[in-house]
Amino acid sequence: EVQLVESGGGLVEPGGSLRLSCAASGFTFTNAWMNWVRQAPGKGLEWVGRIRSQDKGGRADYAASVKGRFTISRDDSKNTLFLEMNSLKDEDTAVYYCTTDPDYCGGGVCYSGLDFWGQGALVTVSS
Amino acid sequence: SYELTQPPSVSVSPGQTARITCSGDALPKQYAFWYQQKAGQAPVLVIYKDSERSSGIPERFSGSSSGTTVTLTISGVQAEDEADYYCQSTDISGTYRVFGGGTKLTVL
Repeated sequence: EVQLVESGGGLVEPGGSLRLSCAASGFTFTNAWMNWVRQAPGKGLEWVGRIRSQDKGGRADYAASVKGRFTISRDDSKNTLFLEMNSLKDEDTAVYYCTTDPDYCGGGVCYSGLDFWGQGALVTVSS
Repeated sequence: SYELTQPPSVSVSPGQTARITCSGDALPKQYAFWYQQKAGQAPVLVIYKDSERSSGIPERFSGSSSGTTVTLTISGVQAEDEADYYCQSTDISGTYRVFGGGTKLTVL
């Protein structure tokens, strides 16, 4: 059974920092390209960023709204994805989901249509 | 930055056909993906690579592409299809993913 279990959400003051974790199991995490997606209360989905598999360079790319403040990383030895969030703003308040990319090639295999999501971690930025 | 444009809402009666469009300049070159999100739940991928139906998704869901517009079609809409639908794709370079603003499907 595939599982993505997020942790680390909570309340933080503006300008503060928080780190989210996403523990993966049930699929080949090492090959996976992983995304962070967020949803502010009552709003639509917003792509935050994506990290490639290590064999594809392990590079992370970010939405303009978080670039320079957020950092995505991964520990393949622990099948865990991270989102480090710094200089948090009120508008970063959202539910944050980790999710597999729906179309990628990693470890010599191409995957299309994978659709695994975490349960979501609520991040509230407020004084 | 790159944007995908969806209508905010679509309304249909049960049994009718719902069509939800998504427009973006890079869509002729980049695949589109469609997600369904029901209230209080995580999104579910219904269509990938423009027109491939995800596992477990009913046959009444289909996707198509024409130029800079992709379309999600739901034939014979059922009450359970009432949800928010989001298209997703990437910019022309394939680097940055983006979601459309979402379309609320109301089944009258």
